[in-house]
Amino acid sequence: EAQVTQNPRYLITVTGKKLTVTCSQNMNHEYMSWYRQDPGLGLRQIYYSMNVEVTDKGDVPEGYKVSRKEKRNFPLILESPSPNQTSLYFCASSLGASINGNEQFFGPGTRLTVL
Amino acid sequence: QKEVEQNSGPLSVPEGAIASLNCTYSDRGSQSFFWYRQYSGKSPELIMSIYSNGDKEDGRFTAQLNKASQYVSLLIRDSQPSDSATYLCAVPFLVNYGGSQGNLIFGKGTKLSVKP
Repeated sequence: EAQVTQNPRYLITVTGKKLTVTCSQNMNHEYMSWYRQDPGLGLRQIYYSMNVEVTDKGDVPEGYKVSRKEKRNFPLILESPSPNQTSLYFCASSLGASINGNEQFFGPGTRLTVL
Repeated sequence: QKEVEQNSGPLSVPEGAIASLNCTYSDRGSQSFFWYRQYSGKSPELIMSIYSNGDKEDGRFTAQLNKASQYVSLLIRDSQPSDSATYLCAVPFLVNYGGSQGNLIFGKGTKLSVKP
């Protein structure tokens, strides 16, 4: 089944404890992206990657890191989480950039709480 | 400034009615437009994409695009309670340094409630 998977789905952690949220897709997509969704603010892009070893900042990159060492994986790293990073996180992938009409497929989401 | 604007709602319609959802965007050069549906606690899923001015129909859904007015809408005919969800308008904007890359910018969504 073609899908985007994220792990963990739920995570409660404490301020300053490094964490990684994994994202994997099995559709051989070039483009991958991370979003966070907050009430009243909608979906906002954190980072995106056009291809292996190519990543760039989205609209809210502060406090996050990403890497794209393999085509299928795009982990999101929070080196020192803070309570303002409590949010619902979505990973997405697409064949190419949305500007070329490519649909983004979303993972199931990771609900992160930072105490 | 990259902006995609939607009425937050909630928009409440009776079962069987037409629901009309609207979206405006700030980038005059945008060429692709997407409507996603998101049920509470779930991930967004694509329901329509549109690239040319005019209407595009898919079952009970019709997307309408007017690039001159920078306006895109989604009509849902014969609305069903199962259509109750938040509808997200998404528009890719050109990154400033050019190329074919583009960040997908989402509106904040319109919450639709279809009453039986």
